Amino acid sequence: AQSVTQPDIHITVSEGASLELRCNYSYGATPYLFWYVQSPGQGLQLLLKYFSGDTLVQGIKGFEAEFKRSQSSFNLRKPSVHWSDAAEYFCAVLNDYKLSFGAGTTVTVRA
Amino acid sequence: NAGVTQTPKFQVLKTGQSMTLQCAQDMNHEYMSWYRQDPGMGLRLIHYSVGAGITDQGEVPNGYNVSRSTTEDFPLRLLSAAPSQTSVYFCASSYDSLGAYNEQFFGPGTRLTVL
Repeated sequence: AQSVTQPDIHITVSEGASLELRCNYSYGATPYLFWYVQSPGQGLQLLLKYFSGDTLVQGIKGFEAEFKRSQSSFNLRKPSVHWSDAAEYFCAVLNDYKLSFGAGTTVTVRA
Repeated sequence: NAGVTQTPKFQVLKTGQSMTLQCAQDMNHEYMSWYRQDPGMGLRLIHYSVGAGITDQGEVPNGYNVSRSTTEDFPLRLLSAAPSQTSVYFCASSYDSLGAYNEQFFGPGTRLTVL
C-alpha cells in the first residue's frame, strides 16, 4: 500500500523566513499527493494537490509544492511565513480512493 | 451552507457504553468518511461511503459501525466503547464518488474520551 512519511515532527521558523516541509512517499506508479493544514482546534483544509502534469503545484495561502519522482518527495514550501501559518501540516497520498496521511509536522512561528 | 457539521463537540464515555457520533453535510456530496486523529499518527480512515446505501471499511474499522441511509448523514457508532477509542474524530465529505480525488471538506471534530 502507498504511504507517506513526514520526517520532521516539529519545525520552528521566524516570521518572514522561508519554510520547507518534507514529505516522502512510497509507491511504484505516479501517486496522487495532497497537503492539508490544520489550525489549532480546527478541521483540516486542503492547501494543494498533485495528480499529474506540472511538477510545481501552487496552492492557497501562498504555498507551493514540488513533486520529485527521483527523490520520491513532495515537499511543501512558502517563501515568507506569517504568524498565521502556525499550524500542523499533513501530507497525504491517495490509495484506492482512500487517503493515507502522514504523522504531521507542527510549525511554530516566532516573532 | 453550513458545510460539514459534527455533534457533539466533546463527549466522555465509560468503558462499555455505546454512542453515536453524528455527521451531516449540506453540500450534496456523495463521498463521506470518518477519520480518527491520534498524536503522532496523523489521521487514520475508519469507514467511508461513496453514496447512500454504500459503505466500506478503512484502515481502522474495528469497534465502529456506520450506515448511510441518506446523502446528507453519515453517523459513526461505537457499540462498546474502549479506552483505546479515546481520540479526536473527524468527518469529511467530497463532491463525487471518486471522493478523495477531490477536495475533502472536514468537520470541526468530536473529542471523545473513554474512561
